[in-house]
Amino acid sequence: AQSVTQLGSHVSVSEGALVLLRCNYSSSVPPYLFWYVQYPNQGLQLLLKYTSAATLVKGINGFEAEFKKSETSFHLTKPSAHMSDAAEYFCAVSDQPTGGGNKLTFGTGTQLKVEL
Amino acid sequence: DTAVSQTPKYLVTQMGNDKSIKCEQNLGHDTMYWYKQDSKKFLKIMFSYNNKELIINETVPNRFSPKSPDKAHLNLHINSLELGDSAVYFCASSQDPRPGQGYGYTFGSGTRLTVV
Repeated sequence: AQSVTQLGSHVSVSEGALVLLRCNYSSSVPPYLFWYVQYPNQGLQLLLKYTSAATLVKGINGFEAEFKKSETSFHLTKPSAHMSDAAEYFCAVSDQPTGGGNKLTFGTGTQLKVEL
Repeated sequence: DTAVSQTPKYLVTQMGNDKSIKCEQNLGHDTMYWYKQDSKKFLKIMFSYNNKELIINETVPNRFSPKSPDKAHLNLHINSLELGDSAVYFCASSQDPRPGQGYGYTFGSGTRLTVV
């Protein structure tokens, strides 16, 4: 069964500092990997996704993630944190989709706090 | 236009009642899903439908009954509501892979169900 593990349920950074949110996956087949962000009382917004093309994926709001098969990791980074980045971040994995769709399996989330 | 819309956004009801949540997507996607987010923000799939056919049923109590009248709609009916059903329910949709097109999920903004 596929799974993702997010290390650190809470991460706190200063404004302007590097953001690093960790995600490791477990999958018996080549995975599709996603990062989603959830702002308070809102739905899930896709930040970026890895679908077996380039291993360095750039997303919205200055975020990027690198797929490292040797480390089974897909960590999310942003060079300089902004106050507006404070939110809950979810890593998710799915099989490569076939007809009929595929379920996303989510990590437990990381709450990012940005301090002045 | 909202891509995946759910109604209602908030739902407060008493134990034992029956309630429904509606979901509609205007993206032309083939597959729709229901996810449950518990009080610890953990997200877990409940159901998926592809072209009105049930594909995934993740051992959800049979008090929960999804209904898909057409490809663009997936409703969730819950009988005999219990306190433990309190959660945020997210609808989502995804497109079957097609040549030259990406793959991804789109989530609705969620329905916060509170059972008292």
